[in-house]
Amino acid sequence: KNEVEQSPQNLTAQEGEFITINCSYSVGISALHWLQQHPGGGIVSLFMLSSGKKKHGRLIATINIQEKHSSLHITASHPRDSAVYICAVSRGSNYKLTFGKGTLLTVNP
Amino acid sequence: EAGVVQSPRYKIIEKKQPVAFWCNPISGHNTLYWYRQNLGQGPELLIRYENEEAVDDSQLPKDRFSAERLKGVDSTLKIQPAELGDSAVYLCASSLDQHHTFGSGTRLTVV
Repeated sequence: KNEVEQSPQNLTAQEGEFITINCSYSVGISALHWLQQHPGGGIVSLFMLSSGKKKHGRLIATINIQEKHSSLHITASHPRDSAVYICAVSRGSNYKLTFGKGTLLTVNP
Repeated sequence: EAGVVQSPRYKIIEKKQPVAFWCNPISGHNTLYWYRQNLGQGPELLIRYENEEAVDDSQLPKDRFSAERLKGVDSTLKIQPAELGDSAVYLCASSLDQHHTFGSGTRLTVV
């Protein structure tokens, strides 16, 4: 079993829909990261959180430390949100990231 | 600020040939990472540097892969000889703390 599991693997939505991507992890962590990867490879950090909830524009990330679970929400989705969303965790002091396999999101107009 | 700069963006080589990737991290970031991402998978760490010291290279296939970070700034990752299974995106990232900044990656195709 991977240390970081994401669901769903693929998600197709219509423009305007509310989207949720889930991430579960099996180890103690110091922080959880949500990342966005567009075709071509570059990765952008969206959130880093260790408790509670963070919001940036239409994106919201939550984490439940006791349940080892995090969610990424996108409100009023738009075709430009189409990308791979990756959950990753860092542990201890070495800051190395362990990644999930990613969720491919496609938002249709 | 330019961010983490990687080159080349794309590389196609024949198997058994050597290849090298270059990374310039964000100025002042002591920690530099090389990750490999296979198609449909999340990135996996190859090597982590703290300044010029490789502190975690346990996942680096040392028979054909090598890396260096001279003067604790730029880094190069080399594969010699390349195999078909090395086709992947090679990502460089740097950090001061837990927040990673990633480069655009180098997409390697070995034919």
